[in-house]
Amino acid sequence: NAGVTQTPKFRVLKTGQSMTLLCAQDMNHEYMYWYRQDPGMGLRLIHYSVGEGTTAKGEVPDGYNVSRLKKQNFLLGLESAAPSQTSVYFCASTDRVDTEAFFGQGTRLTVV
Amino acid sequence: EDQVTQSPEALRLQEGESSSLNCSYTVSGLRGLFWYRQDPGKGPEFLFTLYSAGEEKEKERLKATLTKKESFLHITAPKPEDSATYLCASFTNAGKSTFGDGTTLTVKP
Repeated sequence: NAGVTQTPKFRVLKTGQSMTLLCAQDMNHEYMYWYRQDPGMGLRLIHYSVGEGTTAKGEVPDGYNVSRLKKQNFLLGLESAAPSQTSVYFCASTDRVDTEAFFGQGTRLTVV
Repeated sequence: EDQVTQSPEALRLQEGESSSLNCSYTVSGLRGLFWYRQDPGKGPEFLFTLYSAGEEKEKERLKATLTKKESFLHITAPKPEDSATYLCASFTNAGKSTFGDGTTLTVKP
C-alpha cells in the first residue's frame, strides 16, 4: 500500500517555465489537497478537491491551476513559474473532512 | 479570514521537563482541530482530532485539549525522540483546512 505518492521529488525550473506536479493516492479517498510550505512556516492551502471532477481555491491559489479528472490523481500546474513559487509542495488525501489526512513525501521546487 | 496562531515558535526542553504548546484560532464554520507532528524533510503525521470544547485526547506522552478559543498540546516528561515540529490545523465542514506555523520542539538529553 503506497499511500500518497508525489512526482517528482525535486525539480529546478527557470523563471517562466511550466510544469505539473502529480499526486496519486491508492486509498480511494474523496478529498485531496495541495499545500506549500516555506521555511519556518506551516502549510498553506493552494487548492483542494472534495471529489472527482471538483476543485476549489485555498488560501494562496494565484499562479497555480489544478485538475482532478480521476479520483486517485490530483495535478498541480504552474503555467509560468516565478521565484516566489520556490517552496516545498505537499499533497494530502483523506476520506472525510474530520479524519486524518495522509501526506506525500513532498516535492522540493526551486525556481531560478 | 480564518486564522490559526501557534506559540511559542520554538521550545527547548530538557528531557523530562514537561510543557505545553498553544494553538489559538479564529475560524468561520469550525468543525474541529487537528494536531500533526512533522519531522524534518517529511510530511506531517496525524496525532489527534478534537471536535468540541472540553474534549481531551491522549497518546503516550502527549495530551491535546480544546477550549472555545484555543487548543493545547501538553507534553509530559518528553524524550529526545519527541523533538519535531508540531502543527495544529482547523477544518470546516466544507473540507477546507488552515494550518498554523507550528512550534519546533527540541528536547535535549
